[in-house]
Amino acid sequence: GAVVSQHPSRVICKSGTSVKIECRSLDFQATTMFWYRQFPKQSLMLMATSNEGSKATYEQGVEKDKFLINHASLTLSTLTVTSAHPEDSSFYICSVPRSFSYNEQFFGPGTRLTVL
Amino acid sequence: KQEVTQIPAALSVPEGENLVLNCSFTDSAIYNLQWFRQDPGKGLTSLLLIQSSQREQTSGRLNASLDKSSGRSTLYIAASQPGDSATYLCAVRSGTASKLTFGTGTRLQVTL
Repeated sequence: GAVVSQHPSRVICKSGTSVKIECRSLDFQATTMFWYRQFPKQSLMLMATSNEGSKATYEQGVEKDKFLINHASLTLSTLTVTSAHPEDSSFYICSVPRSFSYNEQFFGPGTRLTVL
Repeated sequence: KQEVTQIPAALSVPEGENLVLNCSFTDSAIYNLQWFRQDPGKGLTSLLLIQSSQREQTSGRLNASLDKSSGRSTLYIAASQPGDSATYLCAVRSGTASKLTFGTGTRLQVTL
């Protein structure tokens, strides 16, 4: 299966700071990547679709100015949580779909964000 | 709007037992359904992917079935082992592009 990496795996920051999370597709190029958020003991919720060369598409209820997404290349997407607050503390996971059919998605190991 | 439900929410079984995890979804117009495993604080590991035209998939001790018309899928784990302890998530792909809708998960503990 495809390998997807995320960096950092864990970050602790003060309220008001911005945090950048990277998602890399190591095996193949991806014009699309997905960002999910998972609160404790809850399931994954899709936040946004990252599109290489164009703006990200955000799900309803997700603030695009707070969660900045940049799909810099065909193997890298970044999610920046701006002016983070304690309620943004969560597990952020990215995924990369297999080729153009989007038949299967491969998930990164996740990033645990804790905002103090 | 697609909604995915998993029952039970938690399950504890002794080692060696066979078990079934259930997943139901409200919109039967799906492209595929995927079962994942998630260990505490970790990402997701894909276990099985069933296309909408398929009825089941098998991998080792795992067997997943799909009844699209009734909006149900089951994950059967044979001869459970302590290493199977994890949260199991099902997700359906439906609607636009490749959006996955996840269930709430079943936390499985296999005891010695």
